[in-house]
Amino acid sequence: NAGVTQTPKFQVLKTGQSMTLQCAQDMNHEYMSWYRQDPGMGLRLIHYSVGAGITDQGEVPNGYNVSRSTTEDFPLRLLSAAPSQTSVYFCASRNTGGMNYGYTFGSGTRLTVV
Amino acid sequence: GENVEQHPSTLSVQEGDSAVIKCTYSDSASNYFPWYKQELGKRPQLIIDIRSNVGEKKDQRIAVTLNKTAKHFSLHITETQPEDSAVYFCAASITPGGGNKLTFGTGTQLKVEL
Repeated sequence: NAGVTQTPKFQVLKTGQSMTLQCAQDMNHEYMSWYRQDPGMGLRLIHYSVGAGITDQGEVPNGYNVSRSTTEDFPLRLLSAAPSQTSVYFCASRNTGGMNYGYTFGSGTRLTVV
Repeated sequence: GENVEQHPSTLSVQEGDSAVIKCTYSDSASNYFPWYKQELGKRPQLIIDIRSNVGEKKDQRIAVTLNKTAKHFSLHITETQPEDSAVYFCAASITPGGGNKLTFGTGTQLKVEL
């Protein structure tokens, strides 16, 4: 298993540009989430999904869109990048069954908006 | 929504000493409390978690305690080693239900000095 795979690892955008951060997992996990990590602020939830076709907003959803057309993929779209979106983005997933509630994180995407 | 506060923000200990990190949560419905370790430039990794039906859980040198009445939980690391140096995050969620949203604390930078 590759686990949770995020691409790209690094990205520089100009203000106003759009892009999609990719996230894929091969563990057949139902739950997937996107977090952003900023210094001194921990990890903040952007959007999450409890299964294919179902998404919902987290704590900081503004400026981001998501979709979940398959169990494996959960892309995060920035429609018009702003400097405030400079951050490290983590995708995470976990299964719904069993007693293992821990999330598995991807390796992250470091995004800089200039 | 849930709010998780974490203290201290930085912690420096001598090798072999114990380290304690404390977190408080606001939502009495929260019932799942994981702890993540994040080394510099790496992804967060689950190190231990506890459900609200137990008061303490141990795994070798690490332990977590939970006080539901006071709504706080703590991470204890004994016999610290240099490889324990990292940022530690606590989190809380309502599982199952609650959208499986994890709310994180702001992190504790632990430095183990030789």
